[in-house]
Amino acid sequence: AQSVAQPEDQVNVAEGNPLTVKCTYSVSGNPYLFWYVQYPNRGLQFLLKYITGDNLVKGSYGFEAEFNKSQTSFHLKKPSALVSDSALYFCAVRDILGNTPLVFGKGTRLSVIA
Amino acid sequence: GAVVSQHPSRVICKSGTSVKIECRSLDFQATTMFWYRQFPKQSLMLMATSNEGSKATYEQGVEKDKFLINHASLTLSTLTVTSAHPEDSSFYICSARYHATNEKLFFGSGTQLSVL
Repeated sequence: AQSVAQPEDQVNVAEGNPLTVKCTYSVSGNPYLFWYVQYPNRGLQFLLKYITGDNLVKGSYGFEAEFNKSQTSFHLKKPSALVSDSALYFCAVRDILGNTPLVFGKGTRLSVIA
Repeated sequence: GAVVSQHPSRVICKSGTSVKIECRSLDFQATTMFWYRQFPKQSLMLMATSNEGSKATYEQGVEKDKFLINHASLTLSTLTVTSAHPEDSSFYICSARYHATNEKLFFGSGTQLSVL
């Protein structure tokens, strides 16, 4: 079975500082990994994905994530946080085999303080 | 980019009534659509997988007679909450899998359902 763990409910960071939102996953085969962001009262917006290739994936709004197979992790990072980055971030995974749905982590609320 | 339109964005209804939520892929064909439910401060929980032209596959614990899903065309899926009760109040989000690039999902903006 697929699963995703986001160990932090809340991450606080000062504007201009680097940020990391953690994610670990479990799949039976090889994973497709995603990060989505949710702003208040809105749906999800796609940030980035890892399918294959380079372990460091660059996405929207300056975010990036590093796929680490040995640690089964896919942490989201940004070198310099903005107040506008404050939102709810979801990590998601699905097995590359078959028409399987995405499984989401519980979400991590990021607060960037000016 | 691909767009998924979900309507309505917010609905308030009386207990016992039924509510229909529409999810449309505007510029692509979605062979598969997924319906998620999100409780406050919690993650998205998959309710069902909807394939065009066939019956939806419901996740364990989701009442199929309560949450009716219809995927009549490649661009439209509907979720009907029948005989709604206050405990059905939640945020419902649909997503569509782009036919050509199978790995990426596009999400609707969600529907906030409040049952009085």
